[in-house]
Amino acid sequence: DIQMTQSPSSLSASVGDRVTITCRASQGIGNFLAWYQQKPGRVPQLLIYGASTLQSGVPSRFSGSGSGTDFTLTISSLQPEDVATFYCQKYNSAPFTFGPGTKVDVK
Amino acid sequence: EVQLVESGGGLIQPGGSLKLSCAASGFSVSRNYMNWVRQAPGKGLEWVSVFYTGGSTYYADSVKGRFTISRDDSKNTLYLQMDSLRADDTAVYYCARGIDFWSAYFDLWGRGTLVTVSS
Repeated sequence: DIQMTQSPSSLSASVGDRVTITCRASQGIGNFLAWYQQKPGRVPQLLIYGASTLQSGVPSRFSGSGSGTDFTLTISSLQPEDVATFYCQKYNSAPFTFGPGTKVDVK
Repeated sequence: EVQLVESGGGLIQPGGSLKLSCAASGFSVSRNYMNWVRQAPGKGLEWVSVFYTGGSTYYADSVKGRFTISRDDSKNTLYLQMDSLRADDTAVYYCARGIDFWSAYFDLWGRGTLVTVSS
């Protein structure tokens, strides 16, 4: 099975900072990569699919890129409401494995 | 309203069984890839199982042989039968919708139901 890794596992940044999270698949998955945001105590929400397509309603400060094995989630200007854990997920075929998550805090 | 509502969680002893339900509204479970995802306390998301539109199923290795996913189209409901439960099955169990092969990402999630396996 394909394994998903993320880095860093956690980060703390200031409001307005540019934040980048990396996700890596152990084998190529094309662009079958999704990103989810889970705020504390809340249900996960889809942010990005197809590696770079923003889900409806998601602020434009979020963006995704990559294909094959290496992917990136970028928050162009971190906001207080972005405090959350972010997960990548492969969906080219089952098992639909999630990455271990990246916890983002605001300083 | 398009939504998923899970039920059936609770406290169960190790070795016991439990059946979770996920009632869908606003769309047909039969026309989507329907999934179960779990999250142990303080841990990350773990995909558990999928019921494909054609009726085939797939399981994570951690639950294979112990959990069974099923679907009742007449009730528009997804189920997860959990047998031989272990302490490490303790988690919030979410139901999540995927659309099709090209869009198997999870665009709709339920609020989850908590399963606690403990003596």
